[in-house]
Amino acid sequence: GDSVTQMEGPVTLSEEAFLTINCTYTATGYPSLFWYVQYPGEGLQLLLKATKADDKGSNKGFEATYRKETTSFHLEKGSVQVSDSAVYFCALPSYTSGTYKYIFGTGTRLKVLA
Amino acid sequence: DTAVSQTPKYLVTQMGNDKSIKCEQNLGHDTMYWYKQDSKKFLKIMFSYNNKELIINETVPNRFSPKSPDKAHLNLHINSLELGDSAVYFCASSQEGQGRKYTEAFFGQGTRLTVV
Repeated sequence: GDSVTQMEGPVTLSEEAFLTINCTYTATGYPSLFWYVQYPGEGLQLLLKATKADDKGSNKGFEATYRKETTSFHLEKGSVQVSDSAVYFCALPSYTSGTYKYIFGTGTRLKVLA
Repeated sequence: DTAVSQTPKYLVTQMGNDKSIKCEQNLGHDTMYWYKQDSKKFLKIMFSYNNKELIINETVPNRFSPKSPDKAHLNLHINSLELGDSAVYFCASSQEGQGRKYTEAFFGQGTRLTVV
């Protein structure tokens, strides 16, 4: 079945460091791919998405490119800020029983130090 | 105006009690969900409703009973609460795009349930 593998955290970085959070997937066909972010004590917010191969999603300085060859959707940011401290989830919509459900990665906690 | 709202935000209750969590979306979406997030932040789907009809029930105990009075509301009732039910429960909604392409789900703020 469909699955998402996400790098384990926590990831601790200094401000202005480069961030990569790895995400690979297994799926039937070519689904859209998503990154969600969960700030402390809050719900999930969509960070970015890509709907087809080679698409690049971007938002708030974060980017991820949908790579069909490597079945990956790694999240990157060139210079992290303390305010980026959160848990990041890679997600894949899986079509089953006539509807979609998200398959989430395990989440990666990011802590950015000033 | 909040797109997906759920209440309450926090719920502390004793084992054996029955409790409900309410969810409403004002996005006009056809599909609503309940997800459970455990203490390790792992997220897993529990239920999915499409136009008030139950579509997905992911081997959730019978003590959990979702109810959808209309497509804008999806409530979750839990009977005989157990310690292991302590978690954060998220409501979400989505709308299928053109050509059955998935768009994105919108999530509520979560309900932190603590069973003592």
